[in-house]
Formats: sequence, structure tokens, C-alpha cells
Amino acid sequence: ELKVEQNPLFLSMQEGKNYTIYCNYSTTSDRLYWYRQDPGKSLESLFVLLSNGAVKQEGRLMASLDTKARLSTLHITAAVHDLSATYFCAVARIQGAQKLVFGQGTRLTINP
Amino acid sequence: DGGITQSPKYLFRKEGQNVTLSCEQNLNHDAMYWYRQDPGQGLRLIYYSQIVNDFQKGDIAEGYSVSREKKESFPLTVTSAQKNPTAFYLCASSDQLRVQPQHFGDGTRLSIL
Repeated sequence: ELKVEQNPLFLSMQEGKNYTIYCNYSTTSDRLYWYRQDPGKSLESLFVLLSNGAVKQEGRLMASLDTKARLSTLHITAAVHDLSATYFCAVARIQGAQKLVFGQGTRLTINP
Repeated sequence: DGGITQSPKYLFRKEGQNVTLSCEQNLNHDAMYWYRQDPGQGLRLIYYSQIVNDFQKGDIAEGYSVSREKKESFPLTVTSAQKNPTAFYLCASSDQLRVQPQHFGDGTRLSIL
């Protein structure tokens, strides 16, 4: 059974600092997604990671994937308040449709 | 603009009542999904459909039912058998290429009266 764990679950940071969110998963997969959710809102797609060593960057966010370690990271560089949100990783099960298993989410708060 | 529309935004259910949540998409996606999100938790898959007139149970299907009579529409019924229905419900869709991310609607918040 595929399990996905994120850590930390809560993260409070100062603006301008760097930090990393970790996403571990338990069985082989060929796709991993990162999403952002603002309070009471829908999920916004950030990154799709498809292969070992994949790295994607958008602004102050960078995501990477190590399929051998079954680990993805989401790195935040020089955080700004607008990045405050909950971040989810989701891992696709190999069989069949795009059945995703989500992590618990990391609630990120960036303080001025 | 293409997207997913969920309605209503807020819904209240009485004891013993069935309620239906609407999900419509104009993205021409083949696959559609329903998720449940509880406070402080990730999303859990309720049902999904890869094609019209076909759907499959997800991880927490008990107490829920769906239909897929049209490509654009995938309504979810929360039946009286679902004893703890209070949650945020999200509908999503994706194309059949599998690698593209799922697109999500704005959600329906269901509460018990």
C-alpha cells in the first residue's frame, strides 16, 4: 500500500530565510506532484516530477525527485509572505488511472 | 475560460438526508475525481471515473455514490449511510495522458445540521 509522509507538518519562518519540505513515499511510483492550497481554497498545481533526478523551479520554489530514495523535496529560497500556504505532495499509484495518494500537507507561515 | 465548477459552495445536511454535490468541467478531460479533505489533513480519494458511464471506488467510497452520464459532469451523492460527512469536498479532472496534473474545483463545504 502506498503511503506518503511529509515533514514538517507545520513550519513558521522569517522572510528572507531558506527552508525545505520533505516528502517520502513507500512504494515505487513514476509521478510526483506538488500542490499549493490557500486557506479554504482549491489546490493549485506547482510542479510535476517524472523521473529520477528531475528538478523544477518556479520563482522562489524548487522541487526535486530522487526515485531511488523515494524522496522529493520542495525548497523555498528567500521566503516572502505571499508563499504562506499549505503545500501538498501527491504520489501516483503505478496501476491504472491517475490515482493519487496525498501527503498530510505542510502548513507554511512566513512572518515579516 | 476552461475550468471546474463545483456547487454549492456550502451545503448543510440533516440527519437521514441524502445530498448531491455538483461538479462540471469544460476542460474536455476524460477523467474526473472526488476527494474528501478533513481539517489539517491531506486529500483522500472517494470515487473516480476514467470514461463516461464508468466509475471506480477510491479509498473511502462507503456512504457515497456517483454517476457519470456525461463527460462534463460527475455528481457526488453523500448518502445517509455516511455517518461523518462533515468535510471539504473537492472535485478534480485530468486528461488521459496521466502525467498532467489534476485540475481542481473550488470545493464544497458540507456540514451537518
